[in-house]
Amino acid sequence: SAVISQKPSRDICQRGTSLTIQCQVDSQVTMMFWYRQQPGQSLTLIATANQGSEATYESGFVIDKFPISRPNLTFSTLTVSNMSPEDSSIYLCSVLTSGNTGELFFGEGSRLTVL
Amino acid sequence: QQQVKQSPQSLIVQKGGISIINCAYENTAFDYFPWYQQFPGKGPALLIAIRPDVSEKKEGRFTISFNKSAKQFSLHIMDSQPGDSATYFCAASIGNFGNEKLTFGTGTRLTIIP
Repeated sequence: SAVISQKPSRDICQRGTSLTIQCQVDSQVTMMFWYRQQPGQSLTLIATANQGSEATYESGFVIDKFPISRPNLTFSTLTVSNMSPEDSSIYLCSVLTSGNTGELFFGEGSRLTVL
Repeated sequence: QQQVKQSPQSLIVQKGGISIINCAYENTAFDYFPWYQQFPGKGPALLIAIRPDVSEKKEGRFTISFNKSAKQFSLHIMDSQPGDSATYFCAASIGNFGNEKLTFGTGTRLTIIP
């Protein structure tokens, strides 16, 4: 299993500002992902955080808006840049464990409200 | 288009009853089908998963039924309990150790009433 800590757990932000979310895992993992969950909605993959290289973004998400860092195998950050009310969502870090099960674990999420 | 359609959107079941949530997919390349359970304020947690080489998988009170020809799979919760009240998401991906990008259904809010 994997224990994932996300910070902040929630924040209220002003339009036009940027916020960085941190994700710390208690063990080294190969793959880390960032998802967005809009209120009452499903989960949408934003990007795969690649260790030591640029993240791989899904359609509809760009690096300028959601820059991601992954300096090592246990830590990643997601920045939501130049926020607007439409960015109000829960942002979830997830990791894929190695081994036979290969289970995808999620953090508890960071709930952002943009005013 | 990689889509997973989930129904119903919400479900109310009496304690002790059977809760059934259905999902349908389009991409025949999907070969891993997990169900996630999410409580308010928490991240989703893997509940049970199935691969298309079997038609059913059971873990305790939770069963996945899989119909490859119909491209459908469902979650059955037997003897539903108030503690099962949560939002359930089905998902699908291609290869658990290849492309791990899960495509999620829209979620079902399950409420178990006494």
